[in-house]
Amino acid sequence: DGGITQSPKYLFRKEGQNVTLSCEQNLNHDAMYWYRQDPGQGLRLIYYSQIVNDFQKGDIAEGYSVSREKKESFPLTVTSAQKNPTAFYLCASSQNRGDEAFFGQGTRLTVV
Amino acid sequence: EDQVTQSPEALRLQEGESSSLNCSYTVSGLRGLFWYRQDPGKGPEFLFTLYSAGEEKEKERLKATLTKKESFLHITAPKPEDSATYLCAVLRNFGNEKLTFGTGTRLTIIP
Repeated sequence: DGGITQSPKYLFRKEGQNVTLSCEQNLNHDAMYWYRQDPGQGLRLIYYSQIVNDFQKGDIAEGYSVSREKKESFPLTVTSAQKNPTAFYLCASSQNRGDEAFFGQGTRLTVV
Repeated sequence: EDQVTQSPEALRLQEGESSSLNCSYTVSGLRGLFWYRQDPGKGPEFLFTLYSAGEEKEKERLKATLTKKESFLHITAPKPEDSATYLCAVLRNFGNEKLTFGTGTRLTIIP
């Protein structure tokens, strides 16, 4: 089955710790994205990547970092600098930027 | 600044009661408008892309339409399994090409 796999589904982090969220796709899509979803707000773009070894900041990149070493993988690190990291994180991919994006099932991160 | 406003925020319908969800948008040059369905605790599922005013697309009980200022998602004779949050997003034609999402309409179909 082709699709996007995010792991883990639930993640708990202590304050001051960095944590990495995994996103893997086997759709052979060039573009990949990370969004954050909070109650009562629309999805907000954190980072996006159009090709391997290249990525761009979205609207709320502060406190986050990404890498794109392989076409199929786009991990997101939530650093201790992110002041309010508790949220639902969604990874997506599209064939080209501007095409419809397909989403993974999300990772719910809770800071304890 | 691109803006997307969805209404109503929540909608409860009886099974079989048709209705429409609204997505009003402001964007400098629309490249595409996207509709997604999201179930609780899951990622959004792609439904439709609309590119130009007057365009319509259908899928089962859903039909999406587009004007120059808004899009409607019409739901005909809904069933309980249509209960979900429906998200609308727009993509600008030039410049910073990012999807701008609305906050969604939470639809509940009562058996």
